[in-house]
Amino acid sequence: GAGVSQSPRYKVAKRGQDVALRCDPISGHVSLFWYQQALGQGPEFLTYFQNEAQLDKSGLPSDRFFAERPEGSVSTLKIQRTQQEDSAVYLCASSLAAAYNEQFFGPGTRLTVL
Amino acid sequence: GQQVMQIPQYQHVQEGEDFTTYCNSSTTLSNIQWYKQRPGGHPVFLIQLVKSGEVKKQKRLTFQFGEAKKNSSLHITATQTTDVGTYFCAIPPNNAGNMLTFGGGTRLMVKP
Repeated sequence: GAGVSQSPRYKVAKRGQDVALRCDPISGHVSLFWYQQALGQGPEFLTYFQNEAQLDKSGLPSDRFFAERPEGSVSTLKIQRTQQEDSAVYLCASSLAAAYNEQFFGPGTRLTVL
Repeated sequence: GQQVMQIPQYQHVQEGEDFTTYCNSSTTLSNIQWYKQRPGGHPVFLIQLVKSGEVKKQKRLTFQFGEAKKNSSLHITATQTTDVGTYFCAIPPNNAGNMLTFGGGTRLMVKP
């Protein structure tokens, strides 16, 4: 079966550009998470959806970051006016139920801001 | 928010040697998960520990959850080159929510 997919896998943006990162979770998974992983660090939580509802966005570093999951499946993380400090791998994960359990991660999108 | 300290940050071992990584929290945890991330890859779930003093084994991997549910360890017996990667522990929030807080990870390097 298909796992979590993300696109693009790599994105190079000039400082100030807007970017959109896509996540396709495992079909039927209720919960969807976005994490940011800097080089040599563990993933850091950005935001969480349960179906289409964004229940927690406490990890979004600034108002330049915006995420949506309008139909409760595919999610998009948008970063406006990218800055160099936004360079990182953005990981999407999904889990079957709302309760705390195993998360399945996608391959990530490596964003480089020049 | 919740924090978990993970040590060591790096570990070089000769193939065949054992390896252990430790995670410590200042607060009592409801449960803890372990993930492995291969170089260039994404985190992959290994196990979840829930009960106080729980010990679980997966082939050469042994996972323990402390009696006080504040610490956990992952031990690999007789490492192989396929064990190379970064091992992360991850904990849930202490309030309602499902996101994970990851430790800093232990990067394991195995010399053949």
